[in-house]
Amino acid sequence: GENVEQHPSTLSVQEGDSAVIKCTYSDSASNYFPWYKQELGKRPQLIIDIRSNVGEKKDQRIAVTLNKTAKHFSLHITETQPEDSAVYFCAATARNFNKFYFGSGTKLNVKP
Amino acid sequence: EPEVTQTPSHQVTQMGQEVILRCVPISNHLYFYWYRQILGQKVEFLVSFYNNEISEKSEIFDDQFSVERPDGSNFTLKIRSTKLEDSAMYFCASTLQGNTEAFFGQGTRLTVV
Repeated sequence: GENVEQHPSTLSVQEGDSAVIKCTYSDSASNYFPWYKQELGKRPQLIIDIRSNVGEKKDQRIAVTLNKTAKHFSLHITETQPEDSAVYFCAATARNFNKFYFGSGTKLNVKP
Repeated sequence: EPEVTQTPSHQVTQMGQEVILRCVPISNHLYFYWYRQILGQKVEFLVSFYNNEISEKSEIFDDQFSVERPDGSNFTLKIRSTKLEDSAMYFCASTLQGNTEAFFGQGTRLTVV
């Protein structure tokens, strides 16, 4: 089955700096890669997603890149703000689309 | 905006007791999931449900677990005989199709004592 690895586990940046979180996946058949933000005690919420027919997608300060050949995808947050502090999870769909495989999470701390 | 709702928000139960966690997925969604998250850890897949049957389940989802969609709106997770290690946040999620955005409920925190 699919295996999703996520790095780093924790990331601390100064407000205004950029943050990059990286994930790799193993199943070349995976074709949908969402990123979720989870604030403490709350539900995971989708912040951006990308499909395998696209190499990059951007939404304001957030962007995701996908390299299908290398089987990795990354989340980029520019001009970070304290409210960006949360745990971020990457995910990939299974070959048969019956589930999402989640990465282990990255705790992002944006220092004011 | 439509959302997935879960009840209760917090459940405390004694070891060995049965619990039922309830979820109301988004009405036009076709795929339903249960995930769990032990405190501070990753979100783990338990089971997916499509067309009124389980489509996939993980190793965690053993004979003590079952799911039901009894009335076309609710989607329940039952744990027959809870263990201490079942203590976790349980999230229900639904998707319109298998590879589209998953909407998560707010979770049920299950504490087994």
